[in-house]
Amino acid sequence: DTEVTQTPKHLVMGMTNKKSLKCEQHMGHRAMYWYKQKAKKPPELMFVYSYEKLSINESVPSRFSPECPNSSLLNLHLHALQPEDSALYLCASSQAGLYRANEKLFFGSGTQLSVL
Amino acid sequence: TQLLEQSPQFLSIQEGENLTVYCNSSSVFSSLQWYRQEPGEGPVLLVTVVTGGEVKKLKRLTFQFGDARKDSSLHITAAQPGDTGLYLCAGADAGNQFYFGTGTSLTVIP
Repeated sequence: DTEVTQTPKHLVMGMTNKKSLKCEQHMGHRAMYWYKQKAKKPPELMFVYSYEKLSINESVPSRFSPECPNSSLLNLHLHALQPEDSALYLCASSQAGLYRANEKLFFGSGTQLSVL
Repeated sequence: TQLLEQSPQFLSIQEGENLTVYCNSSSVFSSLQWYRQEPGEGPVLLVTVVTGGEVKKLKRLTFQFGDARKDSSLHITAAQPGDTGLYLCAGADAGNQFYFGTGTSLTVIP
C-alpha cells in the first residue's frame, strides 16, 4: 500500500461550522504533513508531525487544529474558518521522521474546501 | 522572498511542441526534486537530481541539475495533453529546510 488517503474529497462549510479533515497512510512513514494550496500555486506548509509529535507549526491560525492520534492517522480540525481559507488541503507523508534531502513526499489527493 | 523561482509561471502550447521549465535559486541545494500535479490530485514525484551537472531522462522528460547545484531545468519533448498540470521543483537547502518552487502551470492543447 503506497497511498495516502484523504477524506472527504470535497467539503463546503459555513464560517460557524466545525469540521475535520482526515488523512491515513499505512506505509509506516514517520512524518506526516498538512499543506494548504491555492489554485495553480505551490503548496504551503502548515504543520509537520514527526513520530506522532507536532514538530513544525508554520504560524497557522488557531482556527486550524491538527491532531495525530497514531502513526497512521492525521486529522485537521477546522472551526470558525474564513472565506479566504478556501483552498485544497493536502496531506503528505515521508519515511524519515522529518524531511531530509532526497526524501520522497507521498501526497494524498487533497480535500477541496470551500468556506461560505 | 521565494527561494526557488520557476519560469515561466504559465505555459500554453500545442500538442507536439517542445518546452523547457526553469527552476532557479541563489542558494545551493543538496538535491532538487520535480513534482507534477494533475488537476484534482496531489503532487507526484517525477525525479530527484543529486549531483551537479546530472541529467536524468524519464521517457519524453529530461531533467538537468546545474553544475553549481543552484538551478534545474525540465525539458519536455513532443508534449501531449496528458502532460498538462502544475510542475513544481522542490529541494532542501544546507539547513535541511524544504521548499517548493513557485510552480509552472502547463496546458497542452490537443
